[in-house]
Amino acid sequence: DAKTTQPPSMDCAEGRAANLPCNHSTISGNEYVYWYRQIHSQGPQYIIHGLKNNETNEMASLIITEDRKSSTLILPHATLRDTAVYYCIVRERGSSNTGKLIFGQGTTLQVKP
Amino acid sequence: KAGVTQTPRYLIKTRGQQVTLSCSPISGHRSVSWYQQTPGQGLQFLFEYFSETQRNKGNFPGRFSGRQFSNSRSEMNVSTLELGDSALYLCASSLWAAGGTQETQYFGPGTRLLVL
Repeated sequence: DAKTTQPPSMDCAEGRAANLPCNHSTISGNEYVYWYRQIHSQGPQYIIHGLKNNETNEMASLIITEDRKSSTLILPHATLRDTAVYYCIVRERGSSNTGKLIFGQGTTLQVKP
Repeated sequence: KAGVTQTPRYLIKTRGQQVTLSCSPISGHRSVSWYQQTPGQGLQFLFEYFSETQRNKGNFPGRFSGRQFSNSRSEMNVSTLELGDSALYLCASSLWAAGGTQETQYFGPGTRLLVL
């Protein structure tokens, strides 16, 4: 079973920041938080990952709470092309299980004009 | 670098047939994982190969099998196809070395299989 909980859907106005929450209350100290998104019928696209510090790349920012029990993916200026299903995944690092991602149902983000 | 490639992109088979799907990982990547995506079950892990050895396996029947070659390319095979095997089959590759960045999986576009 997936170790994360996400809202099933969210809306966001084009040009505004999209903030996608994820709860992972049972995360352990050696587990990363990964975010992927899947645009209709395409392969999932890697967005960002983090362990305990906030992370930023050209696509998004990842804010992880101090207790690491939840995180937020931020798309700073959402566009219509950001409409997708967003998956939050926790994954153990450095173990033989790293090749196995457990996907939940994700959050369907609808960016509206 | 070229991304993960999967062939064929679309496939139609009939019940009882078998099918082989191919995945070429990103150059230098040694781990290849396979996933099945259906509307009802979502994205489910099938198996992972690393250095030609199956390292992890999901909860799928023995009709689903795979292998990895010395150049890290991978194939998966489904025998005795059932209607419920209709799905998007996704392949993902990673470098796999200890440390978060090298473990990141990158997905291919998938092969859409329709079983009639």
